[in-house]
Amino acid sequence: GENVEQHPSTLSVQEGDSAVIKCTYSDSASNYFPWYKQELGKRPQLIIDIRSNVGEKKDQRIAVTLNKTAKHFSLHITETQPEDSAVYFCAASRAGGTSYGKLTFGQGTILTVHP
Amino acid sequence: GAVVSQHPSWVICKSGTSVKIECRSLDFQATTMFWYRQFPKQSLMLMATSNEGSKATYEQGVEKDKFLINHASLTLSTLTVTSAHPEDSSFYICSASPGAGYEQYFGPGTRLTVT
Repeated sequence: GENVEQHPSTLSVQEGDSAVIKCTYSDSASNYFPWYKQELGKRPQLIIDIRSNVGEKKDQRIAVTLNKTAKHFSLHITETQPEDSAVYFCAASRAGGTSYGKLTFGQGTILTVHP
Repeated sequence: GAVVSQHPSWVICKSGTSVKIECRSLDFQATTMFWYRQFPKQSLMLMATSNEGSKATYEQGVEKDKFLINHASLTLSTLTVTSAHPEDSSFYICSASPGAGYEQYFGPGTRLTVT
């Protein structure tokens, strides 16, 4: 099955700095890579996603890059703000087919943005 | 749009009893629903995938006789934790997908505490 590795496990930055979180996946058939932000005791919130036919996607301060050859994808947050502090999870899935798009999550990154 | 609800949001039960958790898609029909378990400071682990009208598919290591899943309609899936033990205490989160596609929509989660 799919295996997703996420690094770093914790990340501390100053407000205004950039933050980068990296993930690798093992199943070359995976074709959908979402990133979630989860605050304590709450549901994961989708912040950005990318499909395998695209190398990069950007939404305001957030961007995701995908390298299919190397099987890794990264989340980039620029101009970080204290409200960006949360746990971030990457995930991978093989959308379509008999897998029904089940998600395999990375281990999570605790991001702390210091004012 | 794309709202998923869960009920109850938290529950405390005694060891040996059973607890039912409901997951509803409020504004779309969910062909597929997923159940995840999240222990404190850990990632989301997929327990099972359920498709409307058919038996759930359980992930390796998840006891199907202990975690009963029913997906009787396109808007409702239930997870019943039978003969609950303290080690079953966790945050249970469901997600729903309108098809074998990409994005999943997460419920708010249910905090189960077994005493």
